[in-house]
Amino acid sequence: NAGVTQTPKFRVLKTGQSMTLLCAQDMNHEYMYWYRQDPGMGLRLIHYSVGEGTTAKGEVPDGYNVSRLKKQNFLLGLESAAPSQTSVYFCASSYVEDRAEYSPLHFGNGTRLTVT
Amino acid sequence: SQQGEEDPQALSIQEGENATMNCSYKTSINNLQWYRQNSGRGLVHLILIRSNEREKHSGRLRVTLDTSKKSSSLLITASRAADTASYFCATAADLLFGNEKLTFGTGTRLTIIP
Repeated sequence: NAGVTQTPKFRVLKTGQSMTLLCAQDMNHEYMYWYRQDPGMGLRLIHYSVGEGTTAKGEVPDGYNVSRLKKQNFLLGLESAAPSQTSVYFCASSYVEDRAEYSPLHFGNGTRLTVT
Repeated sequence: SQQGEEDPQALSIQEGENATMNCSYKTSINNLQWYRQNSGRGLVHLILIRSNEREKHSGRLRVTLDTSKKSSSLLITASRAADTASYFCATAADLLFGNEKLTFGTGTRLTIIP
């Protein structure tokens, strides 16, 4: 099992450019998440998905869009990159059968994005 | 918004010593989780403790939870060089919403000196 795989690992963009980050999981998890990690800020949730074809906003969704066309994939898009989006982006997934029983998040190894 | 705050921000100890890090949170929780992050890697789940539990063990890890003080501690016994990492607490405040309401703290950077 590869777990959660993120591509690319590194990327440098110029302000105004667009890109898509890909997340793939092979654990048949229903839930998938996109976080950003900034120094001194901890992890903040951007968007999440509770199943194929559904997405929802997290804590910091502005400037990002997501799609979950297939259960195993969750894409994060930046339509017009800004320097404030320089960050490390993490994808995670989890299996939640019963909301009374939390399942742990499984994280990918991140994408380091720099916007100049 | 951050729910959990870890203390200390950084900790250096000799290999073989015990490491203790703390997490304080602001509102009532359903459960509290601890994660480890090695440099350049994603977070790895260590242990989950529910609001009705006071202590939990997993190998060399011991987690305590004091809901009256809104705090948790993570103890790593007999530390090893491989324990060098950042440790994060994450709180789940709302039973209805699951992990999408999970809030992470800013982490404790633990360095084990060989």
